[in-house]
Amino acid sequence: EAGVAQSPRYKIIEKRQSVAFWCNPISGHATLYWYQQILGQGPKLLIQFQNNGVVDDSQLPKDRFSAERLKGVDSTLKIQPAKLEDSAVYLCASSLARFSGGAWGQYFGPGTRLTVL
Amino acid sequence: QKEVEQDPGPLSVPEGAIVSLNCTYSNSAFQYFMWYRQYSRKGPELLMYTYSSGNKEDGRFTAQVDKSSKYISLFIRDSQPSDSATYLCAMRSNAGGTSYGKLTFGQGTILTVHP
Repeated sequence: EAGVAQSPRYKIIEKRQSVAFWCNPISGHATLYWYQQILGQGPKLLIQFQNNGVVDDSQLPKDRFSAERLKGVDSTLKIQPAKLEDSAVYLCASSLARFSGGAWGQYFGPGTRLTVL
Repeated sequence: QKEVEQDPGPLSVPEGAIVSLNCTYSNSAFQYFMWYRQYSRKGPELLMYTYSSGNKEDGRFTAQVDKSSKYISLFIRDSQPSDSATYLCAMRSNAGGTSYGKLTFGQGTILTVHP
């Protein structure tokens, strides 16, 4: 079974530039999550999709961050304009459903490491 | 106060040692407790999960939950250099609404097992 795919793996941009990250979840997983992990901290949920609908974006800085999940499969996360404090690893995760019984842990991709200069 | 507190370490132990990793939490609604392992430059991978209080064992790993004390632990027996990673505790409640399925993570403990 293929895992969660993310690209790019690394990105370096100047502040005030824009950047986009892409995620392809595990096939058949209805729920998709974007997390921000700042160095030395645990992942923080930014947004959660159920199929192609947003179910929780309460911690997404909506003035600069946006995300979409077209057709309930792939997802993109965009930052525009980027700030220095956005430097972090952006992790995408997926699960069968919001509550998936025995194998209901969220499966994470390798992340995109963003550096804002 | 953070909802989940985890001692960041770092923790360095010799091969074969017993490792104890811990988290405390403040939200009494948390019902599901997980431990994730994160190798350098990788995403977290689910290691153990438990529901409510009690113990769960899987090979060299034992997870314990004490809801009365709001305290969870992960024990690693006969630790190996390959166990060197960051260990993250994570929790979620059974509450409905927009928070359903949302995980709250601790900050992670960096573990190094040296030969």
